[in-house]
Amino acid sequence: EADIYQTPRYLVIGTGKKITLECSQTMGHDKMYWYQQDPGMELHLIHYSYGVNSTEKGDLSSESTVSRIRTEHFPLTLESARPSHTSQYLCATRDSRSGNTIYFGEGSWLTVV
Amino acid sequence: AQSVAQPEDQVNVAEGNPLTVKCTYSVSGNPYLFWYVQYPNRGLQFLLKYITGDNLVKGSYGFEAEFNKSQTSFHLKKPSALVSDSALYFCAVRDMMNNDMRFGAGTRLTVKP
Repeated sequence: EADIYQTPRYLVIGTGKKITLECSQTMGHDKMYWYQQDPGMELHLIHYSYGVNSTEKGDLSSESTVSRIRTEHFPLTLESARPSHTSQYLCATRDSRSGNTIYFGEGSWLTVV
Repeated sequence: AQSVAQPEDQVNVAEGNPLTVKCTYSVSGNPYLFWYVQYPNRGLQFLLKYITGDNLVKGSYGFEAEFNKSQTSFHLKKPSALVSDSALYFCAVRDMMNNDMRFGAGTRLTVKP
């Protein structure tokens, strides 16, 4: 099992605010992912990273940005939040050297009002 | 391109009855197949996976899944459903040719007492 920590778990912010969703992991997994999921709906990959200084956009276009300066951290930033960004954001990791399983954090619920 | 399909948005079963949640896949190479469960306001939890070997895979919480290559299916099963099994279930496939992970749209399982 991977220990993946997402903060904040729940957040309500106003339109136009800047927000960073934190994701950290303690297992040293090289691959990290961000998925966006509306309640009870399918997952959409918005960003992924194969290692430090590696970031790629996923299948779903997103106005968010990510960075991977350290193996353990993969923060996601919205420069100017809008109501359309209201969703759940799930961080996940995978160790490509030894495992095929993706492990998920508990998610961050973002509401933009 | 690989994909997974979960043909049922919703599955309802009575407690104590067997349950099946269906998943079919399409990949260009050998598939790695996964099942995840998501409880309300939580991230996805890994249930089981098929990599190679026996077609019947046993996982957490009494769940099992059967890999059927000829039918390209990986249905999730449990002999006797519990009310606490009610959740959202996701099937996923990783194609070893391109290393991408794809999730199905999810199936909501409701187990009634």
